Amino acid sequence: GENVEQHPSTLSVQEGDSAVIKCTYSDSASNYFPWYKQELGKRPQLIIDIRSNVGEKKDQRIAVTLNKTAKHFSLHITETQPEDSAVYFCAASRGAGGTSYGKLTFGQGTILTVHP
Amino acid sequence: DGGITQSPKYLFRKEGQNVTLSCEQNLNHDAMYWYRQDPGQGLRLIYYSQIVNDFQKGDIAEGYSVSREKKESFPLTVTSAQKNPTAFYLCASSATGGGAFGYTFGSGTRLTVV
Repeated sequence: GENVEQHPSTLSVQEGDSAVIKCTYSDSASNYFPWYKQELGKRPQLIIDIRSNVGEKKDQRIAVTLNKTAKHFSLHITETQPEDSAVYFCAASRGAGGTSYGKLTFGQGTILTVHP
Repeated sequence: DGGITQSPKYLFRKEGQNVTLSCEQNLNHDAMYWYRQDPGQGLRLIYYSQIVNDFQKGDIAEGYSVSREKKESFPLTVTSAQKNPTAFYLCASSATGGGAFGYTFGSGTRLTVV
């Protein structure tokens, strides 16, 4: 089955700096890569996703890059703010159909702290 | 207001007791999932279901059971066979239809053994 590794486990930055979180996956058939943000005690929320036919996607201060050859993808947050502090999870899926049912395999999470 | 609702928010289980966590969605999603979250271990898949009356074991199904009698509902029972049930449980749903889509998560149930 799919295995997703996420690094670093904790990340501390100053407000205004950039933050980068990296993930690698094992299943070359995976084609969908979402990122979730989870604030303390709350549900994870989708913040950005990318599909395998795209190398990069950007949404305001957040961007995701995908390297299918190397089987890794990264989340980039620019101009960080204290409200970006949360746990971030990457995930991978080979999509619905067959036996996969579109299920996501998650990384271990990164605790991001942005200091004012 | 479309969404996915989990109840209760907090649940306390005595030793040897079975408890059931509720998950209901009105998003018309075909697929539903149960994940367990422990500190530092991310989200681990317990069970998932794509259609009514069908479900599959995830990575940590032992000690848990589910049913999918209605498209909207996917309850999870934590049985007495689950020796370490204290955790945060998240239910999620997603559309299918040939592609992959992100999950919508419920707000979670925090289960504690007393």
